[in-house]
Amino acid sequence: DGGITQSPKYLFRKEGQNVTLSCEQNLNHDAMYWYRQDPGQGLRLIYYSQIVNDFQKGDIAEGYSVSREKKESFPLTVTSAQKNPTAFYLCASSITQATYGYTFGSGTRLTVV
Amino acid sequence: DQQVKQNSPSLSVQEGRISILNCDYTNSMFDYFLWYKKYPAEGPTFLISISSIKDKNEDGRFTVFLNKSAKHLSLHIVPSQPGDSAVYFCAASVRGGSNYKLTFGKGTLLTVNP
Repeated sequence: DGGITQSPKYLFRKEGQNVTLSCEQNLNHDAMYWYRQDPGQGLRLIYYSQIVNDFQKGDIAEGYSVSREKKESFPLTVTSAQKNPTAFYLCASSITQATYGYTFGSGTRLTVV
Repeated sequence: DQQVKQNSPSLSVQEGRISILNCDYTNSMFDYFLWYKKYPAEGPTFLISISSIKDKNEDGRFTVFLNKSAKHLSLHIVPSQPGDSAVYFCAASVRGGSNYKLTFGKGTLLTVNP
């Protein structure tokens, strides 16, 4: 079955450490996205990529970095520069235009202590 | 500036009754709208969508209504069931070109009481 996989589901890190969240899809989707969800804030776009080796900043990109070396993979690194990294992170993908909607992964809960 | 607004953070209804979730948008370029449902600690799942050329789209218990002049859409769930308890996100997009982005509202937590 095709889908989008995020790992791990729960992640704990010490303050000041960088951490990378994995996102893999086998849907042959062109576009991939990273969102962050905080209570009362809804879904906020961090980064998105429309094609391999290209990506754009979303609304809250500061303190994050991404890469898109393969169509299937779009890892997100939460750096020590991110002031409030504890959150629920969601990865999504879409065929081409967003009118087809997104397929979301099941999310990664990152807790920084 | 929030382009998609869900002004009710939460809604509580009795099982069997109608649930009405509302969404307003400010960008007149939006021409495609989607609703997503999200359970805690899971990713959102697609529920129903509507194009701006329509004013209503129905799928089983779920109906979405679009009022373009008011820049308002609503999701009706009839009858509501306890399993419908979740956060519902409204999302909007501009069709055409190379636009890949969906703009989401902040979500409404629906609680259906048995």
